[in-house]
Amino acid sequence: GAGVSQTPSNKVTEKGKYVELRCDPISGHTALYWYRQSLGQGPEFLIYFQGTGAADDSGLPNDRFFAVRPEGSVSTLKIQRTERGDSAVYLCASSDGPGSYNEQFFGPGTRLTVL
Amino acid sequence: KQEVTQIPAALSVPEGENLVLNCSFTDSAIYNLQWFRQDPGKGLTSLLLIQSSQREQTSGRLNASLDKSSGRSTLYIAASQPGDSATYLCAATSGNTPLVFGKGTRLSVIA
Repeated sequence: GAGVSQTPSNKVTEKGKYVELRCDPISGHTALYWYRQSLGQGPEFLIYFQGTGAADDSGLPNDRFFAVRPEGSVSTLKIQRTERGDSAVYLCASSDGPGSYNEQFFGPGTRLTVL
Repeated sequence: KQEVTQIPAALSVPEGENLVLNCSFTDSAIYNLQWFRQDPGKGLTSLLLIQSSQREQTSGRLNASLDKSSGRSTLYIAASQPGDSATYLCAATSGNTPLVFGKGTRLSVIA
């Protein structure tokens, strides 16, 4: 079946602009995660959804970052007033059930460049 | 707070060699540990997942072990091939937490 998909694959924007990144998880997966990966680093956790609600948003760096998952499937990560330091690859993952015991499957990522 | 470290940061081996990648974690109360492969500019491909009650998992030429008491996991790759060249990441979960990743080991297999 289809894996996790993310759109767009690449996004270039100017400092101060607003961006939205989309994630389509594997069908039926109840848990969805957003991570951010900077060059040469491992992915860092941003936010975790179980169903429609954010179970853990402790990784969001500041209030410019926000994510939603209104119907418990597709999720959108929203970044306001983008800064050059937001440039990174944003990865989405999903798993079948609460994350601690279940394998996470990752999408290809969205490469965000803030000029 | 869980911290994951991977050594070495980079490794270059001739084709056909067996090799071991190392991963250490600070909180031994993990629920599972997952190994991933990442090709340049790509997302993460899950290779193996070891539950806390398991000691190892095998898939083809790959074998991953887990020693919770020492806070270590290893990924063994047998008979390496140029197509194995990639960055290998390990990640652990403890409690109801998402994955905590190491920085990865960049592997180059030379033909």
